[in-house]
Amino acid sequence: KNEVEQSPQNLTAQEGEFITINCSYSVGISALHWLQQHPGGGIVSLFMLSSGKKKHGRLIATINIQEKHSSLHITASHPRDSAVYICAVRNSGTYKYIFGTGTRLKVLA
Amino acid sequence: NAGVTQTPKFRILKIGQSMTLQCTQDMNHNYMYWYRQDPGMGLKLIYYSVGAGITDKGEVPNGYNVSRSTTEDFPLRLELAAPSQTSVYFCASSYDDGAYSNQPQHFGDGTRLSIL
Repeated sequence: KNEVEQSPQNLTAQEGEFITINCSYSVGISALHWLQQHPGGGIVSLFMLSSGKKKHGRLIATINIQEKHSSLHITASHPRDSAVYICAVRNSGTYKYIFGTGTRLKVLA
Repeated sequence: NAGVTQTPKFRILKIGQSMTLQCTQDMNHNYMYWYRQDPGMGLKLIYYSVGAGITDKGEVPNGYNVSRSTTEDFPLRLELAAPSQTSVYFCASSYDDGAYSNQPQHFGDGTRLSIL
């Protein structure tokens, strides 16, 4: 079993829909990182979380440390949100990152 | 503000050839990392560096070498390229290791490498 699990692996949505991507992890962490990888391949940091909730535009990220779970929400989704979303946790013992395999999101116009 | 710059973006190598993937950052970050991304897998750490002159192995170091002569540059060398090294390679940098801050890693755009 991977130490970082994301669900779903693939997601297709209609423009305007509310989207949720989930991340569960099994190790102790000092922080959790949500990343976005566009079809061109570049990786961009969206959020870094150690507790609670963060919001940036239409994106909201939450984390529940006790349940070892984080969610990334996209409100009013748009075709330009189509990308792979990657969850990564920073191991609190080693400070190394462990990456999930990503959720491939496609938003249709 | 360039951030993390990787070159080349694409490369095709023959089995047994060698090459160097270049990575440079202009954020004065001490920590730099090399990852590989294989289809359907999460990024795996190849090597990392905590400062100029200091490097250490990650999860998948075999077949690779690195050096860190300056804060800015962290090249990754492939000796005797093998088909198993076909992958997308990402360089990243960060202010620290996360022990004292939650500064994120900054990634380059990646190098797509095929070994034939």
